[in-house]
Amino acid sequence: GESVGLHLPTLSVQEGDNSIINCAYSNSASDYFIWYKQESGKGPQFIIDIRSNMDKRQGQRVTVLLNKTVKHLSLQIAATQPGDSAVYFCAEKGLGTGRRALTFGSGTRLQVQP
Amino acid sequence: DGGITQSPKYLFRKEGQNVTLSCEQNLNHDAMYWYRQDPGQGLRLIYYSQIVNDFQKGDIAEGYSVSREKKESFPLTVTSAQKNPTAFYLCASSLQGLAGPNTGELFFGEGSRLTVL
Repeated sequence: GESVGLHLPTLSVQEGDNSIINCAYSNSASDYFIWYKQESGKGPQFIIDIRSNMDKRQGQRVTVLLNKTVKHLSLQIAATQPGDSAVYFCAEKGLGTGRRALTFGSGTRLQVQP
Repeated sequence: DGGITQSPKYLFRKEGQNVTLSCEQNLNHDAMYWYRQDPGQGLRLIYYSQIVNDFQKGDIAEGYSVSREKKESFPLTVTSAQKNPTAFYLCASSLQGLAGPNTGELFFGEGSRLTVL
């Protein structure tokens, strides 16, 4: 079936380095993608979103890249800080499925080493 | 401040009991959602509601029930038919339903952790 998944379950980076979190999706009809950050014991928080008619979108210290050819999404975090340590989820909404909710991936845990 | 409030934060249940998790939002959002999260896993959709008095099953609706009598409230009942109810439950809302070209951020509550004893 259609799914959203992640390449790596855990990513460890040094403070100050850039982080790249990857996400693969299989629904070619997906038209909208979001990245969420979830800290331990809390609800997910919105980071950045991108529509399928875009390849790149930038926010504050974060950039999302979308490659529709290979159905791949990535989240880049510049100058990673200890406060960035969390689990990151990608989510997608697909047209043509009749589904009116986001489908989430399994998440990647980002650990920032001091 | 506007937001989503889930209660209780922690809940313990004996096997065979039904429990109801509360979700209230004062964001004037049309759509509301319930997700379940198991340790080390992503979020799985239980139920969602695009408008008042209407709701649809998600991927794992068996053993759960919901109601949407008011725009601001979307309670989730975990019934005794749910075989493995221990999990972290997350409620969310969005300004509009995610139909067609509508996109939109989901705003999440802080979650309710249910443990079956």
